[in-house]
Amino acid sequence: KQEVTQIPAALSVPEGENLVLNCSFTDSAIYNLQWFRQDPGKGLTSLLLIQSSQREQTSGRLNASLDKSSGRSTLYIAASQPGDSATYLCAVYGNEKLTFGTGTRLTIIP
Amino acid sequence: GAVVSQHPSWVICKSGTSVKIECRSLDFQATTMFWYRQFPKQSLMLMATSNEGSKATYEQGVEKDKFLINHASLTLSTLTVTSAHPEDSSFYICSARDLRGGSPLHFGNGTRLTVT
Repeated sequence: KQEVTQIPAALSVPEGENLVLNCSFTDSAIYNLQWFRQDPGKGLTSLLLIQSSQREQTSGRLNASLDKSSGRSTLYIAASQPGDSATYLCAVYGNEKLTFGTGTRLTIIP
Repeated sequence: GAVVSQHPSWVICKSGTSVKIECRSLDFQATTMFWYRQFPKQSLMLMATSNEGSKATYEQGVEKDKFLINHASLTLSTLTVTSAHPEDSSFYICSARDLRGGSPLHFGNGTRLTVT
């Protein structure tokens, strides 16, 4: 059974800092990995999708990497802004299922 | 881009009543839809996989008689919470996979269910 863990569970950083969120998964037989953000009480916003054959994806200030063999992914956020405050979820797709991580609650301090 | 519409966005019901949540793919056909539940400050847990024209596949620990899933067409799946109780209060989200394959999955905006 796939298990996805995110560390840290919560993170607070001052505005402007760069930060890294971590995601690890137990079964490396995945099709792709996605990073989402979720605002309180809201649905999911897809941020980045990395196919299993890729090593990273970039979108604006966001960069996600994937090391499938070690079962790890990171989400790098550059020059953080208060609007980045949200919960970030990683999810791996494999064996016909999408399994979500435990989430990291990010707070950017103005 | 692909859009998944989930309705209602929130619902309050009395204990013992049933609630139906709809998930529609608006601009694509979906042979497979997934239903997730999210308790406060927790991650999303897969409840069941819904396949058009066949019975849903439920995850371990999810009561299929309580959470009825119907996927009668390529654009609509419904989740009915039967005889709802306060412990069923949660955030329910559906996602759909395009018939043409590929990724990513497309998500609805979720339904906040409160059972009083």
